[in-house]
Amino acid sequence: KAGVTQTPRYLIKTRGQQVTLSCSPISGHRSVSWYQQTPGQGLQFLFEYFSETQRNKGNFPGRFSGRQFSNSRSEMNVSTLELGDSALYLCASSLGTSRYRNEQFFGPGTRLTVL
Amino acid sequence: AQTVTQSQPEMSVQEAETVTLSCTYDTSENNYYLFWYKQPPSRQMILVIRQEAYKQQNATENRFSVNFQKAAKSFSLKISDSQLGDTAMYFCAFSGDNAGNMLTFGGGTRLMVKP
Repeated sequence: KAGVTQTPRYLIKTRGQQVTLSCSPISGHRSVSWYQQTPGQGLQFLFEYFSETQRNKGNFPGRFSGRQFSNSRSEMNVSTLELGDSALYLCASSLGTSRYRNEQFFGPGTRLTVL
Repeated sequence: AQTVTQSQPEMSVQEAETVTLSCTYDTSENNYYLFWYKQPPSRQMILVIRQEAYKQQNATENRFSVNFQKAAKSFSLKISDSQLGDTAMYFCAFSGDNAGNMLTFGGGTRLMVKP
């Protein structure tokens, strides 16, 4: 079974621009979560989507948004980029069922650099 | 809000020896899930071991085992017979029973296995 894939793997943007990152979960997984990883703040939860609905949201400004499609693929968007948005963005997928709800499988991440 | 603390930013161990990584957490919930994730230098996060709070028995996965002390809110990871491939960042993570798939991570412990 293919793992979680994220595209692109690397991205360089300038302040004020917007960016869209994509995540394809493991086949059959219905839940997709996004995390931001930085040296200063560590790993922080952004949001979770399950069956196209946002189920949870972390403490990030409204510039960060996401969505999930009917095939469970997810995108996250960051508008008006700031230098502090430079980070590794990790996507994780899960079956989403009650028993295995919390067991997540991570993708390789997208390294975003904001200049 | 839950917090997860890993008090050892860096550790090293000789190959074939045993090492224990510490993790404490704070929560008011009675049922929850705890995880140890490994992030090798290649960056892909891998689930090492999972513990459900209502289970008294400590989880084990081959050379990896945990010491779960619910009353003390402690969840340490023991790696036996350390191998060079165990070199990685290790993250302790918490997920509440009603939090969907949201993970709260500790700051991580960088483990170096020396030959």
